[in-house]
Amino acid sequence: TQLLEQSPQFLSIQEGENLTVYCNSSSVFSSLQWYRQEPGEGPVLLVTVVTGGEVKKLKRLTFQFGDARKDSSLHITAAQPGDTGLYLCAGARNYGGATNKLIFGTGTLLAVQP
Amino acid sequence: EAQVTQNPRYLITVTGKKLTVTCSQNMNHEYMSWYRQDPGLGLRQIYYSMNVEVTDKGDVPEGYKVSRKEKRNFPLILESPSPNQTSLYFCASSLAGRSWEQYFGPGTRLTVT
Repeated sequence: TQLLEQSPQFLSIQEGENLTVYCNSSSVFSSLQWYRQEPGEGPVLLVTVVTGGEVKKLKRLTFQFGDARKDSSLHITAAQPGDTGLYLCAGARNYGGATNKLIFGTGTLLAVQP
Repeated sequence: EAQVTQNPRYLITVTGKKLTVTCSQNMNHEYMSWYRQDPGLGLRQIYYSMNVEVTDKGDVPEGYKVSRKEKRNFPLILESPSPNQTSLYFCASSLAGRSWEQYFGPGTRLTVT
């Protein structure tokens, strides 16, 4: 069962356009992370959001955690070719005590054309 | 430089020939994990380790073994590889805590013929 659904799966846009990627679940997460993965490399952490309703900005990227901590969005303003990559969300769930589990979404592949 | 290293980066092998993919981190992280990444399926956890000598199954452990004899190393062992284990493998480490932010290695592309 895929607990984290990302949409869209693929997105091809022109340089300068804005876009939003969504990460949705019916489960509550203690925190949610966004990663970017470039071809031939491992995912790299962009941001972690912890509090429901939290908004974090990283230059042209804005991340929001849903009020109920079940969903998140990533908005990119004025996309650049360097933003091209696979964007992954990952939710952390606590299973009691020190046990925690990170669940990854299936990813959004973004291509920004110059 | 803080990093997670994996070796080899690329491996082509035949069915049934035992192999080991090494993983090492220099950040003194307690938590280490192995994932496989397949098209349309995303990242799926194979095994994880909370600390030395403490390992547990992830979502897709069948056909894999791990060990954690030292804090920095977490090798992935395929005793008898099969073609359905052809995939891109990532090792990751993190500090134990609420956020569990993962630091990933560069990946190992494995092909089993």
